[in-house]
Amino acid sequence: QVQLVESGGGLVKPGGSLRLSCAASGFTFSDYYMSWIRQAPGKGLEWVSYINSRSSYIKSADSVKGRFTISRDNAKNSLFLQMNSLRAEDTAVYYCARDPPGEVTAFDIWGQGTMVTVSS
Amino acid sequence: QSVLTQPPSASGTPGQRVTISCSGSSSNIGSNTVTWYQQLPGTAPELLIYSDNQRPSGVPDRFSGSKSGTSASLAISGLQSEDEADYYCAAWDDSLNGFYVFGTGTKVTVL
Repeated sequence: QVQLVESGGGLVKPGGSLRLSCAASGFTFSDYYMSWIRQAPGKGLEWVSYINSRSSYIKSADSVKGRFTISRDNAKNSLFLQMNSLRAEDTAVYYCARDPPGEVTAFDIWGQGTMVTVSS
Repeated sequence: QSVLTQPPSASGTPGQRVTISCSGSSSNIGSNTVTWYQQLPGTAPELLIYSDNQRPSGVPDRFSGSKSGTSASLAISGLQSEDEADYYCAAWDDSLNGFYVFGTGTKVTVL
């Protein structure tokens, strides 16, 4: 069964750090590009960061550049998001999503999401 | 703030056809493919349409996508109650350093 399971969310104070994880199963993780996408409460979707299969190509939204770092461990079938200098506006459900390799970006598998709340 | 603009809401009765627009620019829809996602209440988004008009296996053919110039559309024909959800378009934008952008989202209500 193809599955993505996020973990690591929680309550953190402004300026704090958090590391999200995404465990992949049921497919060859190392073949796929991956992304983090977030959704603030009651709001729309916002793309956060993107990493290719070999970690040689990474892109991030301007809103998180310099604060968030995406990474992956293909040997452990895992995707990560290191979030530093967190702000209230980073409060959201964070989803990891799979993107088949190729020229077209299409997130075909999503995790259930993990909630991050930044508040004092 | 998203550069892909969608109407905030759309509605129809069962069996009707509903169309959702997604307006962009030459740096996104005008030069890259469009993807559509469906998000049912309380759940994660799901892929609905990719490459402007392609349906993944398992997506009913009631859903169709199209693109013209810097705008795209999602049509739902034969609207069903289970289609009540939020719908988002998305595309890469080649401006600045390049980024992926989702549309503002459209809530579809089945009356």
